[in-house]
Amino acid sequence: NAGVTQTPKFQVLKTGQSMTLQCAQDMNHEYMSWYRQDPGMGLRLIHYSVGAGITDQGEVPNGYNVSRSTTEDFPLRLLSAAPSQTSVYFCASSYSIPSGRVRQETQYFGPGTRLLVL
Amino acid sequence: GQQVMQIPQYQHVQEGEDFTTYCNSSTTLSNIQWYKQRPGGHPVFLIQLVKSGEVKKQKRLTFQFGEAKKNSSLHITATQTTDVGTYFCADPGGGADGLTFGKGTHLIIQP
Repeated sequence: NAGVTQTPKFQVLKTGQSMTLQCAQDMNHEYMSWYRQDPGMGLRLIHYSVGAGITDQGEVPNGYNVSRSTTEDFPLRLLSAAPSQTSVYFCASSYSIPSGRVRQETQYFGPGTRLLVL
Repeated sequence: GQQVMQIPQYQHVQEGEDFTTYCNSSTTLSNIQWYKQRPGGHPVFLIQLVKSGEVKKQKRLTFQFGEAKKNSSLHITATQTTDVGTYFCADPGGGADGLTFGKGTHLIIQP
């Protein structure tokens, strides 16, 4: 299993350009999510998906779109890149193991995409 | 939204010294996860704590979950250079189907 893969590893964009960050997992996980990591801010949730065809917003969704047409893929689209979107982006997938009322969502992270917007 | 506060932000230790990072929540947590991120790498799951007062050990790492399930700690005994990185606590039940992360503690080890 490759686990969670992300492409590209690095990207430089000009302000106003659009692009798609790719994420794929081969573990048949229902849950997938996108985080951004900025210095001093930790990891913040952008969007997430609980299954194919279902997506929802996280803490910082503005400027980003997602779709989930298959279980395996969860691309993140930047509609019009801005310097504030310079960050490291991580995709993660997780499984859910019912344990009474406790839901275990161990997250498996991809290697990340480092994005610079000029 | 629910937040988990993590301290300290940075910790410098001499190799061989112990290290502890603390995570606190204003509300009761159903469970808490810990992750490690090496420099330039991605977060990697370490452990999940579920029960009040739970203590789990992984070699030199000891994880504790408070009796009130509002705080947690990670203690590393006799640090090694391989322990360098950022340690995050995370709340899996933070209001959305994702994790609410603490801001992390950066462990810097001086040989």
